[in-house]
Amino acid sequence: RKEVEQDPGPFNVPEGATVAFNCTYSNSASQSFFWYRQDCRKEPKLLMSVYSSGNEDGRFTAQLNRASQYISLLIRDSKLSDSATYLCVVNRKAAGNKLTFGGGTRVLVKP
Amino acid sequence: NAGVTQTPKFQVLKTGQSMTLQCAQDMNHEYMSWYRQDPGMGLRLIHYSVGAGITDQGEVPNGYNVSRSTTEDFPLRLLSAAPSQTSVYFCASSKDRGRGTEAFFGQGTRLTVV
Repeated sequence: RKEVEQDPGPFNVPEGATVAFNCTYSNSASQSFFWYRQDCRKEPKLLMSVYSSGNEDGRFTAQLNRASQYISLLIRDSKLSDSATYLCVVNRKAAGNKLTFGGGTRVLVKP
Repeated sequence: NAGVTQTPKFQVLKTGQSMTLQCAQDMNHEYMSWYRQDPGMGLRLIHYSVGAGITDQGEVPNGYNVSRSTTEDFPLRLLSAAPSQTSVYFCASSKDRGRGTEAFFGQGTRLTVV
């Protein structure tokens, strides 16, 4: 079993709609959680961090459920520019601060 | 703002050749790491460093060497290139903030081994 698992998608989303997807992690000692965005053939960039029970940044909301070991990302009022791959990332400082990446969820927003 | 700079952006190697991928950061970050990204596999950690003079292996270290003689630079050496090393390579750096850190990535090196 992979340490971080994501639905690869693609999620085809009409412009203006809401889309949500999850990421599960297997190591209960994971302590920091992030969503990164990766555009085609580009480097990943931090979208938002999830440190406690959740985090909201404009149209993006991330939730953390430690009991069930998953985080989620919700995008409201989807824009064409939201089309990208969203990478779930977890961190364990005890493991040398290594980041472990999920395989990514691809989102395609269509007019 | 330079951030993390990787060179080269593209490279084609013949099987058995060696080369060094360069990575430099100007943010005075302690942590640096190298990842490879293959289709459907996500990013996998090759090697990482928690500071100058300290390196350690990641998930897929075989066939690669690293060194960290300065805080700024973290080169990745392919010892004898194999077709299985065809991939996109990303270097990343991050500042220790105690509870996990944001990683900043270079633009990537697309390597093809023929």
